[in-house]
Amino acid sequence: DADVTQTPRNRITKTGKRIMLECSQTKGHDRMYWYRQDPGLGLRLIYYSFDVKDINKGEISDGYSVSRQAQAKFSLSLESAIPNQTALYFCATSEGHRYEQYFGPGTRLTVT
Amino acid sequence: GQQLNQSPQSMFIQEGEDVSMNCTSSSIFNTWLWYKQDPGEGPVLLIALYKAGELTSNGRLTAQFGITRKDSFLNISASIPSDVGIYFCAGQPSTTSGTYKYIFGTGTRLKVLA
Repeated sequence: DADVTQTPRNRITKTGKRIMLECSQTKGHDRMYWYRQDPGLGLRLIYYSFDVKDINKGEISDGYSVSRQAQAKFSLSLESAIPNQTALYFCATSEGHRYEQYFGPGTRLTVT
Repeated sequence: GQQLNQSPQSMFIQEGEDVSMNCTSSSIFNTWLWYKQDPGEGPVLLIALYKAGELTSNGRLTAQFGITRKDSFLNISASIPSDVGIYFCAGQPSTTSGTYKYIFGTGTRLKVLA
């Protein structure tokens, strides 16, 4: 079984809808991240969390919110989806003070 | 903002050839990570580098942390068809040391001709 899972893997939604992307991990890592990937651009950090009570904005947090429900679960919400939020979304995890980040399989989100 | 320049953007090579790619920046970095991403999948960590000059191998892959701390290199020896994919680097700028924030390159798309 995969260490980092994301649901759904694909989602098509309409402008203005609220949508939640979920991430779960069995790696036992305390740190979790949400990234966005667009064609021709590097991955960009949306939000990150170093533990259940710690949530931090990344470089592109506007229009997004997150919830760390447990050490193993980190969800990303789009409160009112817009077409330019169409992208690949990745969750990642890391352990303590180690620098390696491990990614989930991604969610392809299309906003029409 | 800080950027990473990754080159080449894409390359076609013959099976069995060696491949080289690199990432450069105007900023100093403390850590470099190299990933491979297959279509429809998430990035998979290949190699992590922590010190200037460090040379680390993972099978046929070898990566180096540049002496200036502004660049990193990835080499693949004796390429095989399953090496196809997008390789990208991630660097942690010294200015964000301790925050675990990375800047990601835009990737090198590798295609191997059998």
